[in-house]
Amino acid sequence: NAGVTQTPKFQVLKTGQSMTLQCAQDMNHNSMYWYRQDPGMGLRLIYYSASEGTTDKGEVPNGYNVSRLNKREFSLRLESAAPSQTSVYFCASSQDLENGLRGNSPLHFGNGTRLTVT
Amino acid sequence: RKEVEQDPGPFNVPEGATVAFNCTYSNSASQSFFWYRQDCRKEPKLLMSVYSSGNEDGRFTAQLNRASQYISLLIRDSKLSDSATYLCVVNSGFTGGFKTIFGAGTRLFVKA
Repeated sequence: NAGVTQTPKFQVLKTGQSMTLQCAQDMNHNSMYWYRQDPGMGLRLIYYSASEGTTDKGEVPNGYNVSRLNKREFSLRLESAAPSQTSVYFCASSQDLENGLRGNSPLHFGNGTRLTVT
Repeated sequence: RKEVEQDPGPFNVPEGATVAFNCTYSNSASQSFFWYRQDCRKEPKLLMSVYSSGNEDGRFTAQLNRASQYISLLIRDSKLSDSATYLCVVNSGFTGGFKTIFGAGTRLFVKA
């Protein structure tokens, strides 16, 4: 049981290049998320997907796109990378609709992707 | 003002010490609360949920004070392996959506 798997672990991009971060979970969770973590700041939500076929913007969606390919997979795409997108990116999943409220269950995170944009 | 605030620390304590972290949140409609632990260059992992009545898991005790809008984590008999960053997490559920806010974390160093 791998949990949440994300690739790659490290990536260096030049400004303007594009890339896709991949994420897959094997826990049959409905909800999946992409966060970024920067020094001195809490994790900030980029996009989330409450269920297969739906995606919604989080706190910092600009410069990113996502695809919920199926229940297991949720990818994050940077179309034209900028130095401000240098960060550590975490994918996460959760069992939702606990007590009838979405978002009350804990998150399970992948190992993270360290992205540097020069 | 940040929605979830924590003292960044670092807290430097000797092995065996008791240490307490506090976290305050600004949204009085917040529904659920958690403490996560994050080791250096690793992903956050759930340490414990925080319930209104307070809850304990071994050496760890979590408390919630809704009136004052703060959450605490107490670690007793600190071990070297407790060295990590502790993240306070607050969920606000509302019709049609939710919001999960992470604090920036409190760093703990436990020394031999």
